[in-house]
Amino acid sequence: ETGVTQSPTHLIKTRGQQVTLRCSSQSGHNTVSWYQQALGQGPQFIFQYYREEENGRGNFPPRFSGLQFPNYSSELNVNALELDDSALYLCASSSLGTSPYNEQFFGPGTRLTVL
Amino acid sequence: AQTVTQSQPEMSVQEAETVTLSCTYDTSESNYYLFWYKQPPSRQMILVIRQEAYKQQNATENRFSVNFQKAAKSFSLKISDSQLGDTAMYFCAFMEGSNYQLIWGAGTKLIIKP
Repeated sequence: ETGVTQSPTHLIKTRGQQVTLRCSSQSGHNTVSWYQQALGQGPQFIFQYYREEENGRGNFPPRFSGLQFPNYSSELNVNALELDDSALYLCASSSLGTSPYNEQFFGPGTRLTVL
Repeated sequence: AQTVTQSQPEMSVQEAETVTLSCTYDTSESNYYLFWYKQPPSRQMILVIRQEAYKQQNATENRFSVNFQKAAKSFSLKISDSQLGDTAMYFCAFMEGSNYQLIWGAGTKLIIKP
C-alpha cells in the first residue's frame, strides 16, 4: 500500500509568483485535505476535496485554489504569492466520505519559501 | 467558532517517566471528535489516538491514553513509560461531526531525555 506523497519537497518563489503543489493520496482514499503550517504553529485547514468536489474551506482567500482528479490525487494552487505564504503545506488523505472519524494520513509536506 | 488551546509550549521528561499533555477546546456542538497527532522532527504527522465525544470511556492505545472531561472541555494525553522515540511535537485537534475540518492547537514540544 502506497502512502501519501507530495511534490516538490522544497520550493522557493518570489512575491507575486504562482505555485502549484501536488499530492497523491493513499490507495482507496477518496478525500484530500490541505493544511498550511507556519513555522512553530499548528496546521490550519485550507480546504478539502471529496470525489473531485470542494467539501469545505477554511479562512483562506480565493487566491488559494485546488483541484482533485479522478484518481483522487490533488493540487493546491496559490496565486500572487505573499511573504506570509511561506509555510509547510500538508496534504492528508482519508475516506472521510464515509465517516469523519476515519483517520487522515499525512504526506511529508512541501516547504514553500516566498522571498 | 471552535478553538483548541494547548497551554504547554514545551515539556521535557526523563525516559520511562509518565507525562501528561494538556488540551482544552471550545465548542457549542454536542457531536464532535478529538484527536492527538504526533509530528516527529522532519517526519510525517501521524495519528496517536482519537476519541468520539459521545463515548464516555477514555480511549487507550498501548502506552497512550486520554482523559476526556466533556463538561470541562478538556482532552489531555498521557504517555506512560516514555521512550526516546516519543520526542516530537504533539498536536491536539478537534473535528465537528457535521464539518470535516480539523481545528488544531498550537502544539506541545515534548522532549524525552535519556
